[in-house]
Amino acid sequence: DTAVSQTPKYLVTQMGNDKSIKCEQNLGHDTMYWYKQDSKKFLKIMFSYNNKELIINETVPNRFSPKSPDKAHLNLHINSLELGDSAVYFCASSQDSTRVNSPLHFGNGTRLTVT
Amino acid sequence: GEDVEQSLFLSVREGDSSVINCTYTDSSSTYLYWYKQEPGAGLQLLTYIFSNMDMKQDQRLTVLLNKKDKHLSLRIADTQTGDSAIYFCAERHAGNMLTFGGGTRLMVKP
Repeated sequence: DTAVSQTPKYLVTQMGNDKSIKCEQNLGHDTMYWYKQDSKKFLKIMFSYNNKELIINETVPNRFSPKSPDKAHLNLHINSLELGDSAVYFCASSQDSTRVNSPLHFGNGTRLTVT
Repeated sequence: GEDVEQSLFLSVREGDSSVINCTYTDSSSTYLYWYKQEPGAGLQLLTYIFSNMDMKQDQRLTVLLNKKDKHLSLRIADTQTGDSAIYFCAERHAGNMLTFGGGTRLMVKP
């Protein structure tokens, strides 16, 4: 019944490794997002993907790459992990990014710890 | 959260009202949102307000918007211990991108 689900919930890995976080939504939404929440709880958009267009935040390193096999899934792949990548990553979805009001629905987050 | 600002912390007694304030920067934002984050969980949408409104009430929640000052507030009436969480305001930009404030940690004392 979970609307937006992410796996894994926790991810501990060493510097230099490559890892992926998966996200699935069963809401029938057209648009999906990845947000990063740092240790001070600041949330920042990383990517938005609406089946037609991938919008990349210019501040996101190119080690981060979103992959969307279909509109219900938006996975996040991270290459060459660094200590500063440690954060909680949230997936979200919305009905349509072009609608005037289309609230985001969030997953429960993936806590990534890079050692 | 640099562009949307909130105070970091608020402590109230159970039964009192809580008021969480937020200032935003984008005067063209059409919608402003309040989200709640409980420990270990994602963000839950609480309420939202359209930019042409001054006030919106939803049960115990009242949202006030001062568009001139770009000031948004969330009032929680009869605050309960279950309301303890981090509250985020967010402004909507083009493409449904949200900019979040840094969050206000609400602590409710019994």
